[in-house]
Amino acid sequence: ILNVEQSPQSLHVQEGDSTNFTCSFPSSNFYALHWYRWETAKSPEALFVMTLNGDEKKKGRISATLNTKEGYSYLYIKGSQPEDSATYLCAPTGGGNKLTFGTGTQLKVEL
Amino acid sequence: KAGVTQTPRYLIKTRGQQVTLSCSPISGHRSVSWYQQTPGQGLQFLFEYFSETQRNKGNFPGRFSGRQFSNSRSEMNVSTLELGDSALYLCASSLAGPYEQYFGPGTRLTVT
Repeated sequence: ILNVEQSPQSLHVQEGDSTNFTCSFPSSNFYALHWYRWETAKSPEALFVMTLNGDEKKKGRISATLNTKEGYSYLYIKGSQPEDSATYLCAPTGGGNKLTFGTGTQLKVEL
Repeated sequence: KAGVTQTPRYLIKTRGQQVTLSCSPISGHRSVSWYQQTPGQGLQFLFEYFSETQRNKGNFPGRFSGRQFSNSRSEMNVSTLELGDSALYLCASSLAGPYEQYFGPGTRLTVT
């Protein structure tokens, strides 16, 4: 899977704001879509793995949706906190664990 | 449960040398994937091993190779190092199927 695009590239929000990011990918040969959070000086941390069209997943204040027919996924953060500051990466796969990562959305949450 | 471990954490090598990096997955995970992260290219998939067999391969030259042992531990080798191989090398383990990957802390390789 090539051409994974994430937008915006970076985002500055105030504490308490809600925000969302987009991941676009080719809809053909789709198997699963992964979301990861990567904080500075740490390892990428898995947020969600989604496989079905229309899938919605939630973990605390973070949720994600998936549209495999049109090839996009949204990640939402409700009530952003400074600890949410990180780079958020999406990675579709056409099978197995061959993940193609996007360049990420860098989120900075300011007090 | 112990996490994914990688050794060494930092490495400095000279152009032309070779290097071997090691990754121990989470117990019970049979899939181990390797990634290269550089500022210019982002996080790129190198290869995946599952039950000692290479299951997927990224778009890297043959200088990059790997293997997996019967205990699921994996090594990757880079021969004839080039300056452009300077990067953070991450390995990740997972269960079979569309499950999340658990990343190790990475090995920072610097080629001079």
